[in-house]
Amino acid sequence: DAGVIQSPRHEVTEMGQEVTLRCKPISGHDYLFWYRQTMMRGLELLIYFNNNVPIDDSGMPEDRFSAKMPNASFSTLKIQPSEPRDSAVYFCASSLSSGGADFGPGTRLTVL
Amino acid sequence: GQQLNQSPQSMFIQEGEDVSMNCTSSSIFNTWLWYKQEPGEGPVLLIALYKAGELTSNGRLTAQFGITRKDSFLNISASIPSDVGIYFCAGSKRNTGNQFYFGTGTSLTVIP
Repeated sequence: DAGVIQSPRHEVTEMGQEVTLRCKPISGHDYLFWYRQTMMRGLELLIYFNNNVPIDDSGMPEDRFSAKMPNASFSTLKIQPSEPRDSAVYFCASSLSSGGADFGPGTRLTVL
Repeated sequence: GQQLNQSPQSMFIQEGEDVSMNCTSSSIFNTWLWYKQEPGEGPVLLIALYKAGELTSNGRLTAQFGITRKDSFLNISASIPSDVGIYFCAGSKRNTGNQFYFGTGTSLTVIP
């Protein structure tokens, strides 16, 4: 099993640009999570999906953030327009209905 | 969001020593997880606990689900240099499905 796959691993962009982060969950997992990790705030849950349907997006910081899951094997997190305070490591994770989630390697985002 | 407090915040120990850390919450959880994160990687699930009072081991790691359901403990016996990393607890409530709240982390340094 390849585990959760995220791309890109690193992204450097300028303020105002659109950023799209991608995730392929583990096959068969029916939950998908997007987390953001910073030194100041730790690991924050942004949004999670169950069977491709968004269940709770209350952690999404503002309207500049959006997430989609068009099918069971792919999800995106988009930031438009990006700002320097969005700089963080973004993790995608997936899980079965019960039990803990498997995390991807993360995307380190730097917004200049 | 939910606040899970971990202590200690950091630990510096000699190789071979045992390690104890804990996680407390003001809310009751029905599932507790323990993760380890190494630099540049995503968190990796170590142990999952599903019942109050449950004691579960994974090699040199042992975790317990507190009987109050508001805390959990992780012990590492005979520490080795590769135990270095940040250890996170995560809790889930019955009414939030598979949504987990993460603790603030305990940073472990093992001195050879």
